[in-house]
Amino acid sequence: GESVGLHLPTLSVQEGDNSIINCAYSNSASDYFIWYKQESGKGPQFIIDIRSNMDKRQGQRVTVLLNKTVKHLSLQIAATQPGDSAVYFCAENIMDSSYKLIFGSGTRLLVRP
Amino acid sequence: NAGVTQTPKFQVLKTGQSMTLQCAQDMNHEYMSWYRQDPGMGLRLIHYSVGAGITDQGEVPNGYNVSRSTTEDFPLRLLSAAPSQTSVYFCASSGTSGGRWETQYFGPGTRLLVL
Repeated sequence: GESVGLHLPTLSVQEGDNSIINCAYSNSASDYFIWYKQESGKGPQFIIDIRSNMDKRQGQRVTVLLNKTVKHLSLQIAATQPGDSAVYFCAENIMDSSYKLIFGSGTRLLVRP
Repeated sequence: NAGVTQTPKFQVLKTGQSMTLQCAQDMNHEYMSWYRQDPGMGLRLIHYSVGAGITDQGEVPNGYNVSRSTTEDFPLRLLSAAPSQTSVYFCASSGTSGGRWETQYFGPGTRLLVL
Protein backbone atom coordinates (compact mmCIF):
# COMPACT_ATOMS: atom_id res chain seq x y z
CA GLY A 1 0.00 0.00 0.00
CA GLU A 2 0.95 3.64 -0.06
CA SER A 3 3.31 4.71 2.68
CA VAL A 4 5.33 7.54 4.06
CA GLY A 5 8.92 6.85 5.04
CA LEU A 6 11.83 8.66 6.59
CA HIS A 7 15.43 8.45 5.46
CA LEU A 8 17.14 8.73 8.87
CA PRO A 9 15.94 7.06 12.03
CA THR A 10 18.18 9.20 14.32
CA LEU A 11 19.64 12.66 13.84
CA SER A 12 22.16 14.13 16.26
CA VAL A 13 22.92 17.86 16.06
CA GLN A 14 24.83 20.41 18.09
CA GLU A 15 22.80 22.94 20.01
CA GLY A 16 22.49 26.08 17.94
CA ASP A 17 22.92 24.33 14.61
CA ASN A 18 20.15 23.91 12.08
CA SER A 19 18.41 20.54 11.75
CA ILE A 20 16.92 19.01 8.66
CA ILE A 21 14.58 16.03 8.88
CA ASN A 22 13.57 14.37 5.64
CA CYS A 23 10.54 12.37 4.59
CA ALA A 24 9.62 10.58 1.38
CA TYR A 25 6.05 9.90 0.43
CA SER A 26 4.82 7.52 -2.20
CA ASN A 27 1.24 8.58 -2.89
CA SER A 28 1.22 11.16 -5.65
CA ALA A 29 -2.42 11.96 -4.84
CA SER A 30 -1.53 13.20 -1.35
CA ASP A 31 -1.99 16.93 -1.12
CA TYR A 32 -1.81 17.75 2.57
CA PHE A 33 1.20 17.10 4.77
CA ILE A 34 1.81 17.61 8.47
CA TRP A 35 4.85 17.46 10.72
CA TYR A 36 4.35 16.33 14.30
CA LYS A 37 6.71 16.35 17.28
CA GLN A 38 6.35 13.66 19.91
CA GLU A 39 8.09 13.84 23.27
CA SER A 40 8.45 10.77 25.42
CA GLY A 41 5.17 9.71 27.00
CA LYS A 42 3.11 12.35 25.20
CA GLY A 43 0.84 12.55 22.21
CA PRO A 44 1.99 13.98 18.87
CA GLN A 45 2.10 17.76 18.84
CA PHE A 46 1.38 19.71 15.66
CA ILE A 47 4.36 21.66 14.33
CA ILE A 48 3.53 22.84 10.85
CA ASP A 49 1.54 21.77 7.81
CA ILE A 50 1.62 22.43 4.09
CA ARG A 51 -0.77 21.87 1.23
CA SER A 52 0.32 20.71 -2.18
CA ASN A 53 -0.27 24.08 -3.80
CA MET A 54 2.71 25.39 -1.85
CA ASP A 55 6.44 24.62 -1.98
CA LYS A 56 7.47 26.21 1.28
CA ARG A 57 5.90 27.33 4.49
CA GLN A 58 7.54 28.98 7.45
CA GLY A 59 6.67 29.04 11.10
CA GLN A 60 8.55 30.12 14.17
CA ARG A 61 12.04 28.57 13.75
CA VAL A 62 10.60 25.87 11.50
CA THR A 63 10.26 25.63 7.74
CA VAL A 64 8.63 22.87 5.72
CA LEU A 65 9.66 22.30 2.13
CA LEU A 66 7.63 20.23 -0.32
CA ASN A 67 9.04 18.86 -3.56
CA LYS A 68 6.21 17.21 -5.42
CA THR A 69 8.40 16.23 -8.34
CA VAL A 70 10.38 13.77 -6.24
CA LYS A 71 7.71 13.34 -3.56
CA HIS A 72 9.89 14.64 -0.78
CA LEU A 73 9.10 16.61 2.35
CA SER A 74 11.55 18.17 4.79
CA LEU A 75 11.40 19.93 8.12
CA GLN A 76 14.04 22.50 8.91
CA ILE A 77 14.56 23.65 12.47
CA ALA A 78 16.67 26.75 12.92
CA ALA A 79 19.00 27.20 15.90
CA THR A 80 18.12 23.82 17.38
CA GLN A 81 17.56 23.85 21.12
CA PRO A 82 17.62 21.05 23.74
CA GLY A 83 13.83 21.30 23.92
CA ASP A 84 13.66 20.24 20.29
CA SER A 85 14.86 16.76 21.21
CA ALA A 86 11.98 14.43 20.32
CA VAL A 87 10.72 12.08 17.64
CA TYR A 88 9.42 13.81 14.55
CA PHE A 89 6.79 12.30 12.28
CA CYS A 90 5.62 13.34 8.89
CA ALA A 91 2.09 12.48 7.85
CA GLU A 92 0.31 12.66 4.53
CA ASN A 93 -3.32 12.78 3.60
CA ILE A 94 -5.30 12.56 0.43
CA MET A 95 -7.66 15.48 0.75
CA ASP A 96 -10.90 13.64 0.24
CA SER A 97 -13.85 13.33 2.57
CA SER A 98 -12.33 10.46 4.51
CA TYR A 99 -9.26 12.34 5.80
CA LYS A 100 -6.96 9.43 6.60
CA LEU A 101 -3.52 10.40 7.83
CA ILE A 102 -0.68 8.04 6.97
CA PHE A 103 2.31 8.40 9.27
CA GLY A 104 5.96 7.69 8.69
CA SER A 105 7.95 5.67 11.20
CA GLY A 106 9.60 8.75 12.74
CA THR A 107 13.04 10.32 13.17
CA ARG A 108 14.57 10.84 16.57
CA LEU A 109 16.30 14.20 16.95
CA LEU A 110 19.01 14.39 19.62
CA VAL A 111 20.42 17.81 20.48
CA ARG A 112 23.94 17.80 21.95
CA PRO A 113 24.72 20.58 24.45
CA ASN B 1 -10.62 24.43 26.44
CA ALA B 2 -9.30 21.09 27.60
CA GLY B 3 -8.69 19.98 24.01
CA VAL B 4 -8.67 16.23 23.49
CA THR B 5 -8.89 14.15 26.66
CA GLN B 6 -8.44 10.40 27.05
CA THR B 7 -9.18 8.02 29.89
CA PRO B 8 -7.76 5.93 31.38
CA LYS B 9 -4.08 6.83 31.11
CA PHE B 10 -3.00 3.25 31.73
CA GLN B 11 -4.82 -0.08 31.75
CA VAL B 12 -3.87 -3.73 32.24
CA LEU B 13 -6.19 -6.39 30.83
CA LYS B 14 -6.20 -10.14 30.72
CA THR B 15 -6.65 -11.89 27.39
CA GLY B 16 -10.34 -12.09 26.54
CA GLN B 17 -11.44 -9.18 28.70
CA SER B 18 -13.31 -6.26 27.19
CA MET B 19 -12.96 -2.57 27.86
CA THR B 20 -13.72 0.86 26.46
CA LEU B 21 -11.17 3.60 25.93
CA GLN B 22 -12.77 7.00 26.29
CA CYS B 23 -12.04 10.05 24.15
CA ALA B 24 -13.66 13.47 24.37
CA GLN B 25 -13.03 16.85 22.76
CA ASP B 26 -14.50 20.24 23.59
CA MET B 27 -13.59 22.04 20.36
CA ASN B 28 -16.77 21.11 18.46
CA HIS B 29 -14.65 19.23 15.95
CA GLU B 30 -16.47 17.13 13.39
CA TYR B 31 -13.65 14.69 12.77
CA MET B 32 -12.36 12.24 15.37
CA SER B 33 -10.05 9.28 15.03
CA TRP B 34 -8.24 6.54 16.90
CA TYR B 35 -4.65 5.46 16.29
CA ARG B 36 -2.38 2.89 17.83
CA GLN B 37 1.34 3.30 18.20
CA ASP B 38 3.63 0.35 18.69
CA PRO B 39 7.21 0.74 19.96
CA GLY B 40 9.51 2.49 17.49
CA MET B 41 6.76 2.92 14.96
CA GLY B 42 4.50 5.58 13.64
CA LEU B 43 0.78 5.80 14.28
CA ARG B 44 -1.67 3.56 12.49
CA LEU B 45 -5.30 4.52 12.00
CA ILE B 46 -7.85 2.18 13.60
CA HIS B 47 -11.22 3.90 13.07
CA TYR B 48 -12.40 7.39 12.32
CA SER B 49 -15.57 9.48 12.21
CA VAL B 50 -16.41 12.50 10.08
CA GLY B 51 -19.40 13.44 12.21
CA ALA B 52 -21.93 12.20 14.73
CA GLY B 53 -23.51 8.95 13.59
CA ILE B 54 -20.82 8.28 10.97
CA THR B 55 -17.86 5.93 11.46
CA ASP B 56 -15.50 4.12 9.13
CA GLN B 57 -12.56 1.75 9.26
CA GLY B 58 -8.94 2.78 9.07
CA GLU B 59 -5.82 0.75 8.43
CA VAL B 60 -6.06 -1.70 11.36
CA PRO B 61 -9.73 -2.00 12.46
CA ASN B 62 -9.90 -5.70 13.41
CA GLY B 63 -10.68 -6.31 17.07
CA TYR B 64 -11.99 -2.79 17.67
CA ASN B 65 -15.41 -1.16 17.54
CA VAL B 66 -16.38 2.49 17.67
CA SER B 67 -19.51 4.60 17.84
CA ARG B 68 -20.17 8.33 17.55
CA SER B 69 -23.44 9.24 19.21
CA THR B 70 -22.35 12.80 20.02
CA THR B 71 -19.94 15.30 18.49
CA GLU B 72 -17.85 15.35 21.67
CA ASP B 73 -17.27 11.66 22.37
CA PHE B 74 -15.69 8.85 20.38
CA PRO B 75 -15.16 5.69 22.49
CA LEU B 76 -13.06 2.75 21.31
CA ARG B 77 -14.15 -0.71 22.38
CA LEU B 78 -12.04 -3.82 22.63
CA LEU B 79 -14.49 -6.73 22.69
CA SER B 80 -12.01 -9.50 23.52
CA ALA B 81 -8.53 -8.23 24.25
CA ALA B 82 -5.51 -10.01 22.80
CA PRO B 83 -1.78 -9.55 23.59
CA SER B 84 -1.33 -8.17 20.07
CA GLN B 85 -3.43 -5.19 21.15
CA THR B 86 -0.82 -4.10 23.66
CA SER B 87 -0.01 -0.62 22.47
CA VAL B 88 -0.41 3.07 23.11
CA TYR B 89 -3.69 4.42 21.82
CA PHE B 90 -4.16 8.00 20.70
CA CYS B 91 -7.35 9.83 19.93
CA ALA B 92 -7.35 12.87 17.66
CA SER B 93 -9.83 15.46 16.43
CA SER B 94 -10.03 18.02 13.68
CA GLY B 95 -12.27 20.80 12.51
CA THR B 96 -12.78 22.29 9.07
CA SER B 97 -11.86 25.56 7.45
CA GLY B 98 -13.08 26.62 4.06
CA GLY B 99 -14.43 23.16 3.37
CA ARG B 100 -11.10 21.52 4.14
CA TRP B 101 -10.06 19.46 7.11
CA GLU B 102 -7.63 21.18 9.42
CA THR B 103 -4.78 19.57 11.26
CA GLN B 104 -5.53 16.81 13.74
CA TYR B 105 -4.91 17.47 17.42
CA PHE B 106 -3.99 14.52 19.61
CA GLY B 107 -4.84 13.49 23.13
CA PRO B 108 -2.22 12.34 25.67
CA GLY B 109 -2.74 8.64 24.97
CA THR B 110 -3.80 5.48 26.79
CA ARG B 111 -1.19 2.81 27.46
CA LEU B 112 -2.75 -0.65 27.25
CA LEU B 113 -1.09 -3.87 28.36
CA VAL B 114 -2.82 -7.16 27.58
CA LEU B 115 -1.49 -10.16 29.46
